[in-house]
This record gives sequence, C-alpha cells and structure tokens, in this order.
Amino acid sequence: GAVVSQHPSWVICKSGTSVKIECRSLDFQATTMFWYRQFPKQSLMLMATSNEGSKATYEQGVEKDKFLINHASLTLSTLTVTSAHPEDSSFYICSATPGLYEQYFGPGTRLTVT
Amino acid sequence: GNSVTQMEGPVTLSEEAFLTINCTYTATGYPSLFWYVQYPGEGLQLLLKATKADDKGSNKGFEATYRKETTSFHLEKGSVQVSDSAVYFCALSVYSNDYKLSFGAGTTVTVRA
Repeated sequence: GAVVSQHPSWVICKSGTSVKIECRSLDFQATTMFWYRQFPKQSLMLMATSNEGSKATYEQGVEKDKFLINHASLTLSTLTVTSAHPEDSSFYICSATPGLYEQYFGPGTRLTVT
Repeated sequence: GNSVTQMEGPVTLSEEAFLTINCTYTATGYPSLFWYVQYPGEGLQLLLKATKADDKGSNKGFEATYRKETTSFHLEKGSVQVSDSAVYFCALSVYSNDYKLSFGAGTTVTVRA
C-alpha cells in the first residue's frame, strides 16, 4: 500500500517550452501533496505544498509563476515548469500524505532542459 | 526552527560490517523522526520511523531509537550487505509546521563485497 507514481520519469525539453509532471497516489487519498527539488548529491528542497481544491503554498524563494502547481483531486497533483531554462534542470520528487505525519514519495522525474 | 544534522559521508564499508549514521535534531514542538533511503536514480523510500521518545523504529535489519534527552535518532545496522548501498536521509516533521519534512543533508553509504 501507499504507492505514489510520477510521470514522466524522465523528460528532455527545449529552452522556453513548458513541461508538466504528474504525481498520483495510487491506493490512498492524499489530503496534501508536496513537491521537492533535488540537485545532484544534495538533499531535497521543499518547493511547495498543495492541498486538494486550494492554491499551493510556495516556500520562500520559489517562483510560483514559474512552477505552477495544480491539485485537481485527492489523487492527482501536477507541477508545470513554465518557460523552462537549463537552470531548471533537476530531479523533481513529489510526496503525498493521507494525513498526519507520514509522507510517501514518488520515484522522481528527471528534467533536462537543453 | 526545525533542523536535522547528519553525519557527513561518504561512508564506505565492507560487507557484514557494522553501520552507524549519526543524526541529531532541533525542533520547535514534539517531532516525529524518520529515516529515508534513496537508491540511485530513484525517489525516497521510508526505511523506519518513530513518533515518540524511546520508540525504536526497525526495518530490514536497520534500527533507530528516538532519544529525546540527546535529541538524536542514530541509524544502525549490524551486518550490511552490498544491496544497502544508497543515500540515507534523516528527517523530522512537526505538527506545528503542517508536518513538512525537514531533511538532513544525506549520507552516502557504499558497501563493498
């Protein structure tokens, strides 16, 4: 139980285009989903917290117009990187929680912007 | 604020050796404590957790005990295998911070046959 999927697992896009990443909780309803970014050999950096049906809460320093988050249902959240640039290349990981303190992580999406 | 300090790596061990990764924390409020493991190219998997003082989390031969008096949650395994090679993250969450996870920097462990 408690499986979270991400799609795609790997994406390459050209500079200036937008990319959408999906995060799904497969066997539970997620009251809250989180989006993280991870640089090589570094820890995870929380980007934003999203609750179903409401606007995402972004961490300080994260551009909300660049990283659009939509939490359309209790099992789906999407992260859209708009007008992507090479510096947006990273490993993006989502997590979901059915409530309380435990988070379940997706396998991650590697984004490369050329 | 909330923060986690983890033993810096990388750590290289031989198979069947004893592994310890130190983790200490500071928190406003009463935290829940976690160890996550990340295999190359993958997301994080919850390895074990503890939600109150003196709780011991255990899984796959790994153990960690929630020590409130020393604000620590050290990870141990008595006999590591090559398949334990991964990055290990210590983390905490607190109700007052909407259960957001605060991660340590991660410790890379390599086990050699």
